[in-house]
Order: sequence, then C-alpha cells, then structure tokens
Amino acid sequence: EIVLTQSPGTLSLSPGERATLSCRASQSLISTFLAWYQQKPGQAPRLLIYGASNRATGIPDRFSGSGSGTDFTLTISRLESEDFAVYYCQHYGDSPPYTFGQGTKLEIK
Amino acid sequence: QVQLMESGGGVVQPGRSLRLSCAASGFIFGYYTMHWVRQVPGKGLEWVAVISNDGSKKYYADFEKGRFTISRDNSRNTLYLQMNSLRPDDTAVYYCARRYTYGSNTFDYWGQGALVTVSS
Repeated sequence: EIVLTQSPGTLSLSPGERATLSCRASQSLISTFLAWYQQKPGQAPRLLIYGASNRATGIPDRFSGSGSGTDFTLTISRLESEDFAVYYCQHYGDSPPYTFGQGTKLEIK
Repeated sequence: QVQLMESGGGVVQPGRSLRLSCAASGFIFGYYTMHWVRQVPGKGLEWVAVISNDGSKKYYADFEKGRFTISRDNSRNTLYLQMNSLRPDDTAVYYCARRYTYGSNTFDYWGQGALVTVSS
C-alpha cells in the first residue's frame, strides 16, 4: 500500500501570499494518479486537482498542481480568505486502496 | 443539482450493527461508481469501500476484515453500507461520494456525512 506524507503539518501565511504544499509518496505513482482536496470545518472535502495537475470543474486558476513520481505539490498563487482550510492529497487509480495523506492545515498568519 | 444525503448514523454499542444509507439525486445514479469514505472527528480521511455502477464489483479497505458490506439499489437511487461487529475505532463521520468522471477514483460530490459513534 502506498503511503502519502504531507508537509508541512501546518502552514501559516497571510492573504495574498503564495502557498506551497507538498505530498510525498512511499513509492513512485504510475500515471500520476494523485489528487488534492480542500476541507473546511464542518464541511465535506472538495476536489481541487486530479491527475496531479488538472483542475476539477469550477476550481479557480489560482490553484495548481504539479509533480510526478514520488513528489507532488499543490500551489495556491495568491491566497484568499476562503482558502484557509485543511488540504489532503490522495492516491487513486483503477485498483484500491485509495489512500490519503494526513493533511496540511493552512492557517491565517 | 447533484445531492447526496446520508442517514442512519447514531450511537451503537460495540459488537452491534448499523446500516448507513445515501440517497442520491440530481444525476443518473446508475451510471456512477460510488464510494464510502470516513473521517474520525478532527483527523484525516480514510477510504472505506467502492461499488461499481451496476453493483457487480465491490472492494473494501483492509481494516474492515469482512465486517462491512457495500451495496446499492439503483431503482431507489440509494447506496448502502452495512456495518457489523462495530468497534470503538469505527467511530467516525461516514461520507458517501461519487466517482469523478474525469479523475478515475477521485470524488467530485460528497454527502454531508453521517456520524457513527461506537460506545458502550
């Protein structure tokens, strides 16, 4: 089973700044089956990125994903107040299990 | 619009059973693979189970060890999760989620979650 490790655990930034979140896989991911989700308190997760770099429907272009192999990054170019939340990466594909990272909390500085 | 609504959560004693339901609307339910994902309050996400659109294929996370059964009734637009031999560490919010068409087994729509508390 692939283990995903996210860093940092907490990221403190100000609105307007750039956020860079990392997700490292325990083994190389075939076909970049890596997704990112945003979760706000009391809400279900929201799909942001799939295929490592493809924005899901309706996701603003300030969110971007990159990476391959074992190292993946979610970048938020200019933070807005509604972006402060917890972010999870997920490995997926045609066969389970579909594992998640432990999350990165993005908080207002 | 797409809606998923879980029901059936609550407090249950260890060793007992519970069945969650997820009512779907706003899309052709029978076209989509569906998942259950859970989250211990204040903790991360954990995938639980998946069922193909026609119910013919089912897969489970290893931790379930045969205790959970996923099923669906396409005529009722409803997804189910039967949970037996519940343990305190099964305490979590259980979400149903729809497989995203373009992103393989990613999840584009989620329910609001059903809280299951296993406690004596």
